[in-house]
Amino acid sequence: RKEVEQDPGPFNVPEGATVAFNCTYSNSASQSFFWYRQDCRKEPKLLMSVYSSGNEDGRFTAQLNRASQYISLLIRDSKLSDSATYLCVVADNYGQNFVFGPGTRLSVLP
Amino acid sequence: EAGVAQSPRYKIIEKRQSVAFWCNPISGHATLYWYQQILGQGPKLLIQFQNNGVVDDSQLPKDRFSAERLKGVDSTLKIQPAKLEDSAVYLCASSLASWDRTGNTIYFGEGSWLTVV
Repeated sequence: RKEVEQDPGPFNVPEGATVAFNCTYSNSASQSFFWYRQDCRKEPKLLMSVYSSGNEDGRFTAQLNRASQYISLLIRDSKLSDSATYLCVVADNYGQNFVFGPGTRLSVLP
Repeated sequence: EAGVAQSPRYKIIEKRQSVAFWCNPISGHATLYWYQQILGQGPKLLIQFQNNGVVDDSQLPKDRFSAERLKGVDSTLKIQPAKLEDSAVYLCASSLASWDRTGNTIYFGEGSWLTVV
């Protein structure tokens, strides 16, 4: 079993749609969780950290379920500029062992 | 604040040749990572340094890959001899060494794109 797994994608959605990405992780000792965004032929960049209580940043909402070892990312009112690959990232308590999922590609269509 | 610097950006070599990539992390970041990202996949950790010591190199193909961070700042990753399957983006990243209240995270350079023909 891979350490971090994500929806295989790609997701093709119209502008304005709501889309949700799922991620599961196998290491129960994981303590830090992130979503990164990677544009085509660019490096991954931090989108948001994921906190136990859930957190929201504008149109983006992240949720964490430690019991199920599951992380989600919800994007509301999708924009063309949201088209990218979304990477789920899990790290240990010391933030020193960052493991990336395979990514889920999103295409927002006009 | 300057980001993670990498060079060269692009490199094309023939199989069995050698190549070296250079990385300079964000100032003050004690932890440096080299990731390999093959097209369509997520980044895979090759090696992680804490200052000039190796923390994890379990996924580094040591028969052909080597990396060093002699003075605990910049780092080089070498491949010798290269194989066709080494074609990928080599991403250098850095992070703080200690956990802080806002959480530690990882910052990437733009990557070095390698094509082996």
